[in-house]
Amino acid sequence: SQQGEEDPQALSIQEGENATMNCSYKTSINNLQWYRQNSGRGLVHLILIRSNEREKHSGRLRVTLDTSKKSSSLLITASRAADTASYFCATVPSGNTPLVFGKGTRLSVIA
Amino acid sequence: AAGVIQSPRHLIKEKRETATLKCYPIPRHDTVYWYQQGPGQDPQFLISFYEKMQSDKGSIPDRFSAQQFSDYHSELNMSSLELGDSALYFCASRNTGELFFGEGSRLTVL
Repeated sequence: SQQGEEDPQALSIQEGENATMNCSYKTSINNLQWYRQNSGRGLVHLILIRSNEREKHSGRLRVTLDTSKKSSSLLITASRAADTASYFCATVPSGNTPLVFGKGTRLSVIA
Repeated sequence: AAGVIQSPRHLIKEKRETATLKCYPIPRHDTVYWYQQGPGQDPQFLISFYEKMQSDKGSIPDRFSAQQFSDYHSELNMSSLELGDSALYFCASRNTGELFFGEGSRLTVL
């Protein structure tokens, strides 16, 4: 990947547990976004955090951004089987430049 | 609400053949992006268009070309197909905000 590296590559948890996925990137960014992808399906936008923000919440999602470490984390609380999917971080290096995706974390939530 | 429409959803071609993928953005979205996602890989940016003009170019092979038409739909043309071109091809559109992705076109090259 040209930009983001995600950690872990795969994560398996029990329903009700929290899932944390991390993303690191290489260049300065305008914003960072998280996407979800069910197997073989399209990418669904979850949340966007701007470079001047440190934390953002949306429902059961919590995203943090540390621009000094060029890293972000996505926390899914009280996970459900339906959260099983791949999660990608994607950065916008500047302005309206295209999204650059990381390698993704494959999350399995076991009922 | 209308979403990004891609066609065909599945396509099987032989090596050295050509293929054309179509993308119909969300109405009033003026920017279209094409991404390629190989098996188990992250999506790789290919090319984008804004107001029918190419705006950014990524890792699009010379064998591929694309354009955006007056009705804002876009087509990705792929020639001299290779086995390695087998992938999911996503189109995304935006106006000023977030990107909305289509369900993708799965190309299999045999």
